[in-house]
Amino acid sequence: DVKVTQSSRYLVKRTGEKVFLECVQDMDHENMFWYRQDPGLGLRLIYFSYDVKMKEKGDIPEGYSVSREKKERFSLILESASTNQTSMYLCASRSGIWQPQHFGDGTRLSIL
Amino acid sequence: KNEVEQSPQNLTAQEGEFITINCSYSVGISALHWLQQHPGGGIVSLFMLSSGKKKHGRLIATINIQEKHSSLHITASHPRDSAVYICFNNNNDMRFGAGTRLTVKP
Repeated sequence: DVKVTQSSRYLVKRTGEKVFLECVQDMDHENMFWYRQDPGLGLRLIYFSYDVKMKEKGDIPEGYSVSREKKERFSLILESASTNQTSMYLCASRSGIWQPQHFGDGTRLSIL
Repeated sequence: KNEVEQSPQNLTAQEGEFITINCSYSVGISALHWLQQHPGGGIVSLFMLSSGKKKHGRLIATINIQEKHSSLHITASHPRDSAVYICFNNNNDMRFGAGTRLTVKP
């Protein structure tokens, strides 16, 4: 069965820390995505990757970076965490534009 | 501007009722997704469609490309259908509707 695994379900960090959110998929999918979800704003695309070592900015990339060194793993990095990055973060993957996205369970990140 | 709008925002129904959730989008799409999100955050992909109609159990999704409109129907609704339903445009710029919170009362 399809599986997208996010490393943490809940995470608490302090402002200024460098934070890593990890996402692993076991479906050999080409495309991977990072979203954040906030009440009243819905899901918004932060970054996506069409293939290994490739990355594209989404709607809200400021304050974030990503890494995709291996096909199965897509990491989201908060370079210097701030309180406005407190949110639910969701990772997804798909095999191509005509295929559905599969989502991880999400990481609820709190920045104190 | 690529916008996706859903209606209604909130919907309360009695068990057994027929449910319709609507989704309109402003630009052409490659495919439209319907997602289901239960409390706690997990998201399940229900349908992806680019034309016509798809059915899975009690759920039916339709799309009208010319009118840029899709609907999600739930027949014989059940309390376990209570969730947030989200449509999104699977183009490369990914636009999501704000979601419809459905509550089905026994």
